Amino acid sequence: AQSVTQPDIHITVSEGASLELRCNYSYGATPYLFWYVQSPGQGLQLLLKYFSGDTLVQGIKGFEAEFKRSQSSFNLRKPSVHWSDAAEYFCAVEDGANNLFFGTGTRLTVIP
Amino acid sequence: DSGVTQTPKHLITATGQRVTLRCSPRSGDLSVYWYQQSLDQGLQFLIQYYNGEERAKGNILERFSAQQFPDLHSELNLSSLELGDSALYFCASSVVGQSTSGNTIYFGEGSWLTVV
Repeated sequence: AQSVTQPDIHITVSEGASLELRCNYSYGATPYLFWYVQSPGQGLQLLLKYFSGDTLVQGIKGFEAEFKRSQSSFNLRKPSVHWSDAAEYFCAVEDGANNLFFGTGTRLTVIP
Repeated sequence: DSGVTQTPKHLITATGQRVTLRCSPRSGDLSVYWYQQSLDQGLQFLIQYYNGEERAKGNILERFSAQQFPDLHSELNLSSLELGDSALYFCASSVVGQSTSGNTIYFGEGSWLTVV
């Protein structure tokens, strides 16, 4: 069965610092992987997705993620964090029928 | 704005009651999904409909049911409500119900349900 692990519940970074959020997945076939962001009181917004091809995926708001099959990972990165990036970030794997299975999320706090 | 509309945004009801949450998908999207986000269970897939037909079921309780109507809007019915059903219920939609590289799932802003 598919599953996603986000080992970091909460991360705090300074504005302007780099960011990496970890995501490990379990899936029997080639995974379709996603990162979503949820701002307080908001819905889920898609940041980026990996289906195939280039293992480095570019997304919106300056985010990127790298798919590493050997490590079963899909970590999200941003070179310079802005205060507006403070939110909850969810990694998800899709089951082949467009149904998403989410990790428990990582809450990002950005300090000035 | 994702284009997925959910009503109501907030709902408070008593244990044992029944509520209906409504979702209008993005224009042109044939698939509708329901997810539950709670403190205990995190974000969980409940059920998927495609063009009026149930396509897949996740961790949906028997007390819960859903349907998708000919105009493609969907309703999630929650009955015999318990305190533990308090959660944020998301609706999402996509063009198709199968994985394709161009198929993105768009989420609404959710319906907050509080059971007291």
